[in-house]
Amino acid sequence: GAGVSQTPSNKVTEKGKYVELRCDPISGHTALYWYRQSLGQGPEFLIYFQGTGAADDSGLPNDRFFAVRPEGSVSTLKIQRTERGDSAVYLCASSPAGAYNEQFFGPGTRLTVL
Amino acid sequence: KQEVTQIPAALSVPEGENLVLNCSFTDSAIYNLQWFRQDPGKGLTSLLLIQSSQREQTSGRLNASLDKSSGRSTLYIAASQPGDSATYLCAVRPGGGSEKLVFGKGTKLTVNP
Repeated sequence: GAGVSQTPSNKVTEKGKYVELRCDPISGHTALYWYRQSLGQGPEFLIYFQGTGAADDSGLPNDRFFAVRPEGSVSTLKIQRTERGDSAVYLCASSPAGAYNEQFFGPGTRLTVL
Repeated sequence: KQEVTQIPAALSVPEGENLVLNCSFTDSAIYNLQWFRQDPGKGLTSLLLIQSSQREQTSGRLNASLDKSSGRSTLYIAASQPGDSATYLCAVRPGGGSEKLVFGKGTKLTVNP
């Protein structure tokens, strides 16, 4: 079956621009997560959805970052007024419901802000 | 605040050697621990998941152990191959209702032919 997919695979933008990153989770997975990975670091948690609602957004760095999951499947991470420090790989993961389940990761979107 | 440390940061071994990667975490109250592999420029591939009530998990040449009380996990790779070269990441799911994973920085493994 299909895994988690993310589009685009690479995104280059200019400072100050708005970007959207898309995540398609594994079919039937109710939990969806966004992480950010900077060079040489492990992924850092951004936000977690259970169904359509953001159950934990404590990792979002500031109010320029926002994510939605309107139908409980596809999610979009939105970044306003991008800054050079936003450059990183943005990873999406999904999981069946429940705290004891594995998270399955997508290939990531590499965002470069010039 | 949960923190995860992985030692060593990098490791280079000849093909065929058995090796151990280490992971430590500061708060023993966890739901589970997951080991991942990351190839350059790629996403994460889940290798093994150990629940907090378990001591170890095995998959092929990989064996992961968990000592929750001491805050430690090890990933044992038997008979290493050049194809095992990658960065290995350890992540814990903290207890207390948290759904996120907290990652270490990883160990970059190179297996030389």
